[in-house]
Amino acid sequence: EDQVTQSPEALRLQEGESSSLNCSYTVSGLRGLFWYRQDPGKGPEFLFTLYSAGEEKEKERLKATLTKKESFLHITAPKPEDSATYLCAVQAARKTSYDKVIFGPGTSLSVIP
Amino acid sequence: DGGITQSPKYLFRKEGQNVTLSCEQNLNHDAMYWYRQDPGQGLRLIYYSQIVNDFQKGDIAEGYSVSREKKESFPLTVTSAQKNPTAFYLCASSRSRVTEAFFGQGTRLTVV
Repeated sequence: EDQVTQSPEALRLQEGESSSLNCSYTVSGLRGLFWYRQDPGKGPEFLFTLYSAGEEKEKERLKATLTKKESFLHITAPKPEDSATYLCAVQAARKTSYDKVIFGPGTSLSVIP
Repeated sequence: DGGITQSPKYLFRKEGQNVTLSCEQNLNHDAMYWYRQDPGQGLRLIYYSQIVNDFQKGDIAEGYSVSREKKESFPLTVTSAQKNPTAFYLCASSRSRVTEAFFGQGTRLTVV
């Protein structure tokens, strides 16, 4: 069964304290893996797409990496404005016209000044 | 600015009523989606459409209906058959079926 899990469920960091969020997946035929940021009461904002194991993408303090079984979102020297819920989504290749996208439940990140 | 506009931001529904959530995009994207978000759960797909006048059921389509008469618009109707409609509803679009999706700001629906 296709599944996406994220850990930890919640993470509290001091400003400047680097850490990583994990997204583990079991799908047959990975088409792509997406990371989104979601602020309370708002829609998710796209961050990165990763397509193959070994790929890395960076944006400001965020860096996403991908292996065959999981992805990490590394946050370097976070600031309070990085506080949000981070969603991981996996697109699984299908024989139909639609490649199913499965979202994880998210990791809620709080960065304390 | 290009983007996706959802309205209203908050919606209240009485028991037995149908309500329609609006979603408009000016990104010239072919594909559009409706998701439902509940606390502690991942986004779940309600309906998707890859071209005008065509749409497909997602994982939780029961009690919902959609139309896609224009490329820019993909309204969602929550019918009285949906027994637990209180949730945060998100509309999204993407250039194609293999690219990232861009989301609207959501509509929070509450049954009163």
